[in-house]
Amino acid sequence: QVQLVESGGGLVKPGGSLRLSCAASGFIFSDYYMSWIRQAPGKGLEWVSYISASGSSIYYADSMKGRFTISKDNAENSLYLQLISPRAEDTAVYYCARRRTEAGGHWFFDYWGQGTLVIVSS
Amino acid sequence: DIQMTQSPSSLSASVGDRVTITCRASQSINNHLNWYQQKPGKAPKLLIYAASTLQSGVPSRFSGSGSGTEFTLTISSLQPEDFATYYCQQSYSTFTWTFGQGTNVEIK
Repeated sequence: QVQLVESGGGLVKPGGSLRLSCAASGFIFSDYYMSWIRQAPGKGLEWVSYISASGSSIYYADSMKGRFTISKDNAENSLYLQLISPRAEDTAVYYCARRRTEAGGHWFFDYWGQGTLVIVSS
Repeated sequence: DIQMTQSPSSLSASVGDRVTITCRASQSINNHLNWYQQKPGKAPKLLIYAASTLQSGVPSRFSGSGSGTEFTLTISSLQPEDFATYYCQQSYSTFTWTFGQGTNVEIK
């Protein structure tokens, strides 16, 4: 069965660095776009970034550009998100999610991990 | 960027009630609209994609409709397990994938 397991969250100081990981299993990882989505405490969902199946196309939400780096290792079935110089407002649960595309070009997030909590505080 | 606005932000309803949640897009997104359900402490779960297609395994009391800029999620008869927060998400844009702010469905 499809599984996505995030890790790497924790307490990080403002201006520090942290790398989140998402281990995928149960599907052909190299066939799928993947994304990171976050949720600040008590707040709604916020899309962070996505990466194409091969890793050749990458996009970020405007507020994340230059501060986060997404990457994908298809040989290791793993997705990553590097947080560079995080700020207090980056405190959130970070989810990885698989994007599936149906006929007609419709796509959606069909599987999500359980999330990993990042706390940015001095 | 395409903005997604849900209404109401929260609602109180009783078991058996018919519940409708609205999602509006800041520009036409055709039918590129998905709905998710999230329970406290859990990851979101896909309910509906392409505005009206029910994801496999989702109860038929959930339905979606709409096209262009206005969409609705309807729960025909609210069940105890349906108390949760619901999010719409546009999948029209190539570069940015935005969610609505969420609608919290509470027990009356």
